[in-house]
Amino acid sequence: DQQVKQNSPSLSVQEGRISILNCDYTNSMFDYFLWYKKYPAEGPTFLISISSIKDKNEDGRFTVFLNKSAKHLSLHIVPSQPGDSAVYFCAASVGRGSTLGRLYFGRGTQLTVWP
Amino acid sequence: SQTIHQWPATLVQPVGSPLSLECTVEGTSNPNLYWYRQAAGRGLQLLFYSVGIGQISSEVPQNLSASRPQDRQFILSSKKLLLSDSGFYLCASLFRENYEQYFGPGTRLTVT
Repeated sequence: DQQVKQNSPSLSVQEGRISILNCDYTNSMFDYFLWYKKYPAEGPTFLISISSIKDKNEDGRFTVFLNKSAKHLSLHIVPSQPGDSAVYFCAASVGRGSTLGRLYFGRGTQLTVWP
Repeated sequence: SQTIHQWPATLVQPVGSPLSLECTVEGTSNPNLYWYRQAAGRGLQLLFYSVGIGQISSEVPQNLSASRPQDRQFILSSKKLLLSDSGFYLCASLFRENYEQYFGPGTRLTVT
């Protein structure tokens, strides 16, 4: 059962515009959410995270929004750049400080930013 | 800083052959370690995790196994590979200072 869902397998955006990647989750116990970026043949790299006590976290061009009532989060990239083209994974965990650190991943969204 | 090494980077193995993938971590002690697999068109599937030497938990029953002989070494093995074992295998470590999970470069396994 997929507890973290990324329903859009791909997204195409023009350079300079906003990219919005969406993620939904089903487990109400999740309280920490992360976004990873992955290039082909490489391991995912951590991008940005948000705790359930917040509804927004911003880091440069990247902003993550969390809507707990809708069990939905989104990643905004503004402005989008061609180097942002990659697969973006949404992940969630129960208890950020847990010794387990078990993450549940979505299937990813391929973002393509064209000039 | 923490660094995760994986080898080999790519591997082509025939069906029924054994497998051994190695992961080592630098820059931290007593990390939680994880093995993930990304199959074609699929997300990241957690296979095994370990919270300490000799402690292995399996997430998905399969013909793979994992071992942790040393604090910063995590090994993924199989006695007999199946075609369905093909995929991109990723080792990850939990960075306790900020509780973020960092990934190694991965191993591309093709079973023929």
